Amino acid sequence: AQSVTQLGSHVSVSEGALVLLRCNYSSSVPPYLFWYVQYPNQGLQLLLKYTTGATLVKGINGFEAEFKKSETSFHLTKPSAHMSDAAEYFCAVSPFSGGYNKLIFGAGTRLAVHP
Amino acid sequence: NAGVTQTPKFRVLKTGQSMTLLCAQDMNHEYMYWYRQDPGMGLRLIHYSVGEGTTAKGEVPDGYNVSRLKKQNFLLGLESAAPSQTSVYFCASSGDTPYEQYFGPGTRLTVT
Repeated sequence: AQSVTQLGSHVSVSEGALVLLRCNYSSSVPPYLFWYVQYPNQGLQLLLKYTTGATLVKGINGFEAEFKKSETSFHLTKPSAHMSDAAEYFCAVSPFSGGYNKLIFGAGTRLAVHP
Repeated sequence: NAGVTQTPKFRVLKTGQSMTLLCAQDMNHEYMYWYRQDPGMGLRLIHYSVGEGTTAKGEVPDGYNVSRLKKQNFLLGLESAAPSQTSVYFCASSGDTPYEQYFGPGTRLTVT
């Protein structure tokens, strides 16, 4: 069965520092990969996704992620953190099963940004 | 467009009571989903629907029922609430870009 592992339930960075949130997946075939962000008391919002093509994908708010098949990873990065980036981030995979649009979520990483 | 809306936003139930959560979307999406979110566990799929009149079980369906009588609405029912169902419930929908799901703002349910 497919699964998603997010390393670190809490990550804290200084404003202006690099943001790196780690995501590894297990899948017998390359899945579709997603990062979602959840701001306090809100629903999830899609940050970026990888389906096919270029392995480095850019998303909203300056975030990007790179699909590395050999490492089964899809880490999320942002060169310079902003206070408004404080939120919870979820990595998700969609194993292509030919059926419905199933998403499997990781447990989430809460990002704190301090001055 | 309102996107995906959920009613109510908050609810407190006593053990054994029943309730229905309503999800509505105005994007003409075929697919709709109900998730629950618990600390440290991410989101887990309860039930989903691939079109009007259809429903199917997800990862954690026990204790819940759903109905999709109209394409734009997806209802989640709890017939006899239990404290283990205390959670935040999210509805989502997806359409022509099938793997991109749009989420509602959530319903926070507490069962005492």
